[in-house]
Amino acid sequence: KAGVTQTPRYLIKTRGQQVTLSCSPISGHRSVSWYQQTPGQGLQFLFEYFSETQRNKGNFPGRFSGRQFSNSRSEMNVSTLELGDSALYLCASSLGLAGVIGELFFGEGSRLTVL
Amino acid sequence: DQQVKQNSPSLSVQEGRISILNCDYTNSMFDYFLWYKKYPAEGPTFLISISSIKDKNEDGRFTVFLNKSAKHLSLHIVPSQPGDSAVYFCAASEETSGSRLTFGEGTQLTVNP
Repeated sequence: KAGVTQTPRYLIKTRGQQVTLSCSPISGHRSVSWYQQTPGQGLQFLFEYFSETQRNKGNFPGRFSGRQFSNSRSEMNVSTLELGDSALYLCASSLGLAGVIGELFFGEGSRLTVL
Repeated sequence: DQQVKQNSPSLSVQEGRISILNCDYTNSMFDYFLWYKKYPAEGPTFLISISSIKDKNEDGRFTVFLNKSAKHLSLHIVPSQPGDSAVYFCAASEETSGSRLTFGEGTQLTVNP
């Protein structure tokens, strides 16, 4: 079956702009979570959506937001971009069953460069 | 506050030998631990996991050991193969945290032929 699809794969923005990234999870997966990867920082959890509701949120400023649609596809938005937002943004999907820690399936990521 | 730490940014081993990747954590609420592998230009892929009720889990060439008292886990790869060259991330989770994983910084493993 098709894996997690993220678009766009690469993008360049300037400071102050906003960006929207998209993620299509594996069919049947209802949980979508987003992570930011920067050099030396590993992967930092942004948020998780399950059945169109934000179920968990990491320690990022309010400029980072997301949403999930009825078909489980998800988008994340970053407003008023800063140079430090340059990173690889990874989306992961899972069944998301309550109380079950399941394997996360990651997409290839969207690499954002802020100039 | 880095709750999961991988203190070795890189590790180089010879093909056929054992690779040992280490990970330390500070949050005693973590009860599930995972290892992910990442190749360049690809997303991380799940490798192996272990619950806090166990101290060892094995899957083929990969074995994860958990020492809860030391808050330490390690991944052993035996024998190492050149195709194992990748960045390995340790991750931890609390049962109630859903898909929220706390990752380490990663260790670049290079297996030399």
